[in-house]
Amino acid sequence: QSALTQPASVSGSLGQSITLSCTGTSSDIGGYNYVSWYQQHPGKAPKLLTYDVSHRPSGVSHRFSGSRSGNTASLTISGLQAEDEADYYCSSYVSHKTFHVVFGGGTKLTV
Amino acid sequence: EAQLVESGGDLVQPGGSLRLSCTVSGFMLRDHWMTWVRQAPGKGLEWVANIKEDGSEKYYVDFVKGRFTISRDNAKNSLYLQMNSLRVEDTAVYFCARTPPALDMWGQGTLVTVSS
Repeated sequence: QSALTQPASVSGSLGQSITLSCTGTSSDIGGYNYVSWYQQHPGKAPKLLTYDVSHRPSGVSHRFSGSRSGNTASLTISGLQAEDEADYYCSSYVSHKTFHVVFGGGTKLTV
Repeated sequence: EAQLVESGGDLVQPGGSLRLSCTVSGFMLRDHWMTWVRQAPGKGLEWVANIKEDGSEKYYVDFVKGRFTISRDNAKNSLYLQMNSLRVEDTAVYFCARTPPALDMWGQGTLVTVSS
């Protein structure tokens, strides 16, 4: 199963809004409502930001929002803060029966 | 507070074996699928395997099939990953994650280094 495609790096300024993209196929992103986004700071475990395309777990800032159009998922971060500087990974299920997950290669966000 | 703690990572020679453990607290392991994810140094996340709540179904990524075995002991609130025939390319931090189905809770990871 091929990884999802994410840009290697993006940058933004404090207070700006930025959108990270994640491109897959109809066999993953386009085929299931199980797209998630994770944030990872250096040396730390990943943290779930959004799930099921656009849902946010309790405790996650409303500045993070997920969406999807066709085979491309997006994560929008509004009001960029210094602590948003991290790696961001998208993921999608490729089977609703086995919960087999494929990840994107990750995007390094520099603020 | 819910928590997952991995252990068992170590330096091992190519061809060797290692057993990783993930002990959970603050929630009932038996209520959740569980997943192992790994991250090679400086690289991205890679799904490795998962297991159904009662252990009756297990799924693996192709490159570990036949070498790794995922298991669980719900009475001990523990998840395991038996890794055999280890290769240099298996060097990574291994994370366990709760799977409801998004990976909503992760441990801090345990480092496996395969080197001669």
